[in-house]
Amino acid sequence: AQSVTQLGSHVSVSEGALVLLRCNYSSSVPPYLFWYVQYPNQGLQLLLKYTTGATLVKGINGFEAEFKKSETSFHLTKPSAHMSDAAEYFCAVIPPGSSASKIIFGSGTRLSIRP
Amino acid sequence: NAGVTQTPKFQVLKTGQSMTLQCAQDMNHEYMSWYRQDPGMGLRLIHYSVGAGITDQGEVPNGYNVSRSTTEDFPLRLLLAAPSQTSVYFCASSPGTSQETQYFGPGTRLLVL
Repeated sequence: AQSVTQLGSHVSVSEGALVLLRCNYSSSVPPYLFWYVQYPNQGLQLLLKYTTGATLVKGINGFEAEFKKSETSFHLTKPSAHMSDAAEYFCAVIPPGSSASKIIFGSGTRLSIRP
Repeated sequence: NAGVTQTPKFQVLKTGQSMTLQCAQDMNHEYMSWYRQDPGMGLRLIHYSVGAGITDQGEVPNGYNVSRSTTEDFPLRLLLAAPSQTSVYFCASSPGTSQETQYFGPGTRLLVL
């Protein structure tokens, strides 16, 4: 069965430092891949997604992610963290050809930014 | 557009009470869904609908009912609330295909005593 693993339930970085949030999926066929962000007391909103095409995907707020089939990974990065990036981040996958009801969310990574 | 709206924002229930969580979207999306969010478990799908008059169960449907009489509205009913249903509930909608972005409401925090 499809699954998604986010390494690290909590990541803390200094303002201005690199942000790296890890996501690995388990599937022999590459799924559709998503990163969602949840700010405190709000719903989730899409950061970026990969379906087909270029493996480096750019999203909102300076975030990007690279799909690496050989590593079954879709890690999220941002070169320089801002205080406003503090939030919870969820990786999600949908098996290709499946409906949105088959989406599987990771358990989330809470990102803290140190001044 | 208001997007996806949910009411109430917060609710306290006693065990055995019933209530309906409201969800509405004004984007004419065919697909709507309900999730619950619990610490360390991400989001889990409760029920979903692919259009008016069509609903189906997700991963954790027990204790919840849904209906979809219009494209815009997708209420979630708890018939006999239990403490295990204490959670944050999110409604989401999308145009329909698996590649499409899901748009989430702000959530309803439910506490069952």
